[in-house]
Amino acid sequence: EAGVAQSPRYKIIEKRQSVAFWCNPISGHATLYWYQQILGQGPKLLIQFQNNGVVDDSQLPKDRFSAERLKGVDSTLKIQPAKLEDSAVYLCASSSSAWGQGRSYNEQFFGPGTRLTVL
Amino acid sequence: GDSVTQMEGPVTLSEEAFLTINCTYTATGYPSLFWYVQYPGEGLQLLLKATKADDKGSNKGFEATYRKETTSFHLEKGSVQVSDSAVYFCALSPYGNNRLAFGKGNQVVVIP
Repeated sequence: EAGVAQSPRYKIIEKRQSVAFWCNPISGHATLYWYQQILGQGPKLLIQFQNNGVVDDSQLPKDRFSAERLKGVDSTLKIQPAKLEDSAVYLCASSSSAWGQGRSYNEQFFGPGTRLTVL
Repeated sequence: GDSVTQMEGPVTLSEEAFLTINCTYTATGYPSLFWYVQYPGEGLQLLLKATKADDKGSNKGFEATYRKETTSFHLEKGSVQVSDSAVYFCALSPYGNNRLAFGKGNQVVVIP
């Protein structure tokens, strides 16, 4: 079974430029997550999708970050314009659903991440 | 809000030594607790989990017990190998949803 795919793996941009990251989740997974992992910190959830709807975007800086999952499969995360503090690894994860049928956590599977450097 | 605190700093130890990484949490209700591992050049992987008080999660020789009275989920391994060198993250998921809140992580370096 193929894992979560992300591209590009690395990106270097100047501040105030725009950048987009792409994620393809595990086939059949309804729930998709984007995390931001700043160097020396744990991942922080930015946004969670259930199919093509947003479940939680409370920590997404909406003045510059946007994300979409138009057909309920692939997703794109965009930053416009980028700031120096956006330098981080952006992780995509997916799970079969947002909450298990047995009222339990549903394991998230993580992609390799995209390392963004803003100069 | 829900949060996880891990002990500060990297951990360096010799092969076959005993490993402990401390993790405490703050959460309402009954969260699920996890340890994730990130090997060099790889993505985050679930190492073990526990979903209720007094549960013990175990995998690959690692263990952690969900202690509600001390709000802790410390990771232990009796005899580490060089291949255990990685970054270890403690995390929680609040009951009723699948969100994950992570600690800062601990770099573990095992020297032959």
